Amino acid sequence: NAGVTQTPKFRILKIGQSMTLQCTQDMNHNYMYWYRQDPGMGLKLIYYSVGAGITDKGEVPNGYNVSRSTTEDFPLRLELAAPSQTSVYFCATLRQLSTEAFFGQGTRLTVV
Amino acid sequence: AQSVTQPDIHITVSEGASLELRCNYSYGATPYLFWYVQSPGQGLQLLLKYFSGDTLVQGIKGFEAEFKRSQSSFNLRKPSVNWSDAAEYFCAVGGRNAGNMLTFGGGTRLMVKP
Repeated sequence: NAGVTQTPKFRILKIGQSMTLQCTQDMNHNYMYWYRQDPGMGLKLIYYSVGAGITDKGEVPNGYNVSRSTTEDFPLRLELAAPSQTSVYFCATLRQLSTEAFFGQGTRLTVV
Repeated sequence: AQSVTQPDIHITVSEGASLELRCNYSYGATPYLFWYVQSPGQGLQLLLKYFSGDTLVQGIKGFEAEFKRSQSSFNLRKPSVNWSDAAEYFCAVGGRNAGNMLTFGGGTRLMVKP
């Protein structure tokens, strides 16, 4: 039981490049989330999904896209990377009837 | 809209001393409240949570927190800190909304002096 797995752990992108951050969970949780963490700002919600085929914007969605074709996978896409997207990204899942969130180890992204 | 404030960005305590980390929240109804801990380079781990009932909740690693509705606070405490408690601590609120989203405070970084 791996829980929530994020790949890659680290990545450096050039401005304008694109990439996909992968998130996979094996807990069969319906709810999945992408957060970004910036120093002193806590975690800000980018996108979330309440089940396969359903996604919605969070607090800071601009510059990102997501999809949820299966219960297990919730990839986050950056189409045109910008320096403002330099951050640590966390994927999380939630049990449906409880609100205890489980987090991945994070992806540290630097855009130069 | 829900929000969380952690007034202390950094706190330094001596090993063996007591600890209190402050958390104030804004929420339109009875909230679900959480404390998470993040060690360097790691994800977030749940320390404790409040859903309902007893306002003093016990968590892992000897931590406890008290929900005070009148003060909109959920402060985290530990009677005696050890060096392994050095980490960043996040308070969060939420749960009773579409998507069960959590809103996090800005975090408090705890340093422990020997």
